[in-house]
Amino acid sequence: NAGVTQTPKFQVLKTGQSMTLQCAQDMNHNSMYWYRQDPGMGLRLIYYSASEGTTDKGEVPNGYNVSRLNKREFSLRLESAAPSQTSVYFCASRPGTGNNQPQHFGDGTRLSIL
Amino acid sequence: AQSVTQPDIHITVSEGASLELRCNYSYGATPYLFWYVQSPGQGLQLLLKYFSGDTLVQGIKGFEAEFKRSQSSFNLRKPSVHWSDAAEYFCAVGPYNQAGTALIFGKGTTLSVSS
Repeated sequence: NAGVTQTPKFQVLKTGQSMTLQCAQDMNHNSMYWYRQDPGMGLRLIYYSASEGTTDKGEVPNGYNVSRLNKREFSLRLESAAPSQTSVYFCASRPGTGNNQPQHFGDGTRLSIL
Repeated sequence: AQSVTQPDIHITVSEGASLELRCNYSYGATPYLFWYVQSPGQGLQLLLKYFSGDTLVQGIKGFEAEFKRSQSSFNLRKPSVHWSDAAEYFCAVGPYNQAGTALIFGKGTTLSVSS
């Protein structure tokens, strides 16, 4: 079982470059999420998609855009990367919108912006 | 606003000793509660969850957690720690009356295990 798959696993960008982080899940989940993880900050929600066709901002959406391409895929785009966006990015999914459902996480994308 | 507090940033425990990681939440009603573990270079893995009923819940890898409503706490415990338990642990809450939102995570506690 693949679960939640994120690509790439590592990436180095220069300031101002653009980049799309890919996420796909094979669990037929409706809801998908993008978080960033920074030392001492825990996980902060960037954007989420409660269901196919909908997206909403989370706690730290500035500088990012998302696309829910279909039920399986939810991508995160950095249009003009900044050093402050150096982070580890995690995609997660869960069956529906109920908060009694745990989120399933991918292994992360480690992004460095020089 | 809802929040989750993990008071301990870093804990070191000797192998074989018992472990307790603290988690406190701030919310008007009892939320759904979760503990996740993150090994180095990996994603987050669910250890256990609490929805209602018995306040002591069992999880994977020998972990358990106790919900205490009066203290707004959901502390994670393990009777005997193994070196492989060294990881970062996150407590998370899911507001029960806000379907469609995401889980709220604490900032994490890093566990080191000494021999």
